[in-house]
Amino acid sequence: GAVVSQHPSWVICKSGTSVKIECRSLDFQATTMFWYRQFPKQSLMLMATSNEGSKATYEQGVEKDKFLINHASLTLSTLTVTSAHPEDSSFYICSAHGLAGVEEQYFGPGTRLTVT
Amino acid sequence: GQNIDQPTEMTATEGAIVQINCTYQTSGFNGLFWYQQHAGEAPTFLSYNVLDGLEEKGRFSSFLSRSKGYSYLLLKELQMKDSASYLCAVRDPTGFQKLVFGTGTRLLVSP
Repeated sequence: GAVVSQHPSWVICKSGTSVKIECRSLDFQATTMFWYRQFPKQSLMLMATSNEGSKATYEQGVEKDKFLINHASLTLSTLTVTSAHPEDSSFYICSAHGLAGVEEQYFGPGTRLTVT
Repeated sequence: GQNIDQPTEMTATEGAIVQINCTYQTSGFNGLFWYQQHAGEAPTFLSYNVLDGLEEKGRFSSFLSRSKGYSYLLLKELQMKDSASYLCAVRDPTGFQKLVFGTGTRLLVSP
């Protein structure tokens, strides 16, 4: 089956610094990747849709200048949280959709971000 | 707007059957998905419905009624490992086919 990896699995950073999270599709090419944020005991909230070679599409209320997304290749998308603050502490999950004839999205294992 | 509702929590006993409901009001519809998520882990795919009716896959079944904006996930012969969150998601037919997730249901299976 399709595998999506994320790196790092967890990260602790100081307030004001930036953190980059990578999402890779390991055995397929993903034309579209999605970035979600999940707070404790809550559901997944879509932040943005990332497309290879073009600008990301952000959901309403998500600051594009704070959450920078780069989809440089068909197997890699990155999310950079700039000037992180404690309220950005969350579980960030990416998913990929790229297999022809396959309906579901494949999710990465998630990245736990803690901002101190 | 998008509105997808699920019960917040449910409890059930090992070996029993439980039904988790999902109601949706969305601007578009191109399929409904159910995912299972254990705490601290990524969601895993359970089922997909795009036409009305019941889809069965082992101990799990999912039902869809598009006219009613309603779906349910049925779990049979519950096991302790089924304790998890269950997420209902509707796929947007426009653009990049994004998923809009419901509020999620935490299921606790007790002995």
